Amino acid sequence: DAKTTQPNSMESNEEEPVHLPCNHSTISGTDYIHWYRQLPSQGPEYVIHGLTSNVNNRMASLAIAEDRKSSTLILHRATLRDAAVYYCILRETGNQFYFGTGTSLTVIP
Amino acid sequence: DTGVSQDPRHKITKRGQNVTFRCDPISEHNRLYWYRQTLGQGPEFLTYFQNEAQLEKSRLLSDRFSAERPKGSFSTLEIQRTEQGDSAMYLCASSWPRGPNTEAFFGQGTRLTVV
Repeated sequence: DAKTTQPNSMESNEEEPVHLPCNHSTISGTDYIHWYRQLPSQGPEYVIHGLTSNVNNRMASLAIAEDRKSSTLILHRATLRDAAVYYCILRETGNQFYFGTGTSLTVIP
Repeated sequence: DTGVSQDPRHKITKRGQNVTFRCDPISEHNRLYWYRQTLGQGPEFLTYFQNEAQLEKSRLLSDRFSAERPKGSFSTLEIQRTEQGDSAMYLCASSWPRGPNTEAFFGQGTRLTVV
């Protein structure tokens, strides 16, 4: 299973943008980059995913490096409800999700 | 359909007892996954189904663990002779069978405490 590397924790001030980095240097050409987040005592929640091009949805934006060896999840205006653990996952053709330890985001009021 | 449903939400059992958890996926989803999560760790893959067929099992799924999805709809995860190390959150997820270009939807999980 392909691996990702994320910082253990990050902080952001409320209403400011947040850039959550992820390195995946061993990514293969068919791996999709997925982001999920998990609030305390809840199951993971889908955020966004992409293959090569940058992606936007109502929750976030995903910026994918040209060589695809890294990506960045962008929350445009952090709110207190965005405090969670964010997981960057490479989804392979086998379709399972292999989670790492993620980045714990703290939002400061 | 309001999403993936898991029952019970919490279970406390004595060591050595058997427990069974249920997962009801989103109705049109063919794929169903089970994960286990311990405190401070990300979810660990246990097994997944395509309809009623169990296609992959992790090494983490010891002989005491068994999962079924008899009619391709709901699934059960049974743990026999529970041990304290089985204490964890057990998560279920479902998705369409469209390969890696689709998201999975997770339930709220069943928290198991073995005393």
